Amino acid sequence: AQTIHQWPVAEIKAVGSPLSLGCTIKGKSSPNLYWYWQATGGTLQQLFYSITVGQVESVVQLNLSASRPKDDQFILSTEKLLLSHSGFYLCAWSRTANSDYTFGSGTRLLVI
Amino acid sequence: GEQVEQRPPHLSVREGDSAVITCTYTDPNSYYFFWYKQEPGASLQLLMKVFSSTEINEGQGFTVLLNKKDKRLSLNLTAAHPGDSVAYFCAVEPTGNTRKLIFGLGTTLQVQP
Repeated sequence: AQTIHQWPVAEIKAVGSPLSLGCTIKGKSSPNLYWYWQATGGTLQQLFYSITVGQVESVVQLNLSASRPKDDQFILSTEKLLLSHSGFYLCAWSRTANSDYTFGSGTRLLVI
Repeated sequence: GEQVEQRPPHLSVREGDSAVITCTYTDPNSYYFFWYKQEPGASLQLLMKVFSSTEINEGQGFTVLLNKKDKRLSLNLTAAHPGDSVAYFCAVEPTGNTRKLIFGLGTTLQVQP
């Protein structure tokens, strides 16, 4: 069975500090991977997706970047955090386009 | 691009009543539709994935209706109970292998005992 793991579970970071969030998929080769962001009390906004290792497409950047260094790993990062980066970050995977999306448990980020 | 509008943002019903949440979308070619639920502080849980070829889909305690003519997707929780008091999101995946899910703004449901 496939599992999706996000880390860390929660972070409190200072404005201007760097950030790195991780997501790992086990049990599925070459998954499509996605990053979503949810402001507190808001809806979900897709940030990035990746079809294969080393390839990432940006949907909405929000001064963030993403990388896929391994087939099963998706990283979301920034050099300098903004207050507006606070929220809930969800990683998701799917087998292909138009197939079911499975979401990770999320990382809650508070920027102060 | 595809736009998804979800109504109402907040809904309060009595236990045993039905609760209806509706989403309208703009792209007539959209083919895949999703309903998710989200408990406070938790991830998204898929309730149902609907294809545009099927208009009525029944789940456990709920029905999803798709009206392609009106470009409207609805979630009907039949006989709601307090455990249904979470947030619900619709999502639409446009056709063409876009790999993009467009979410509605969400509905917070409160079921009063």
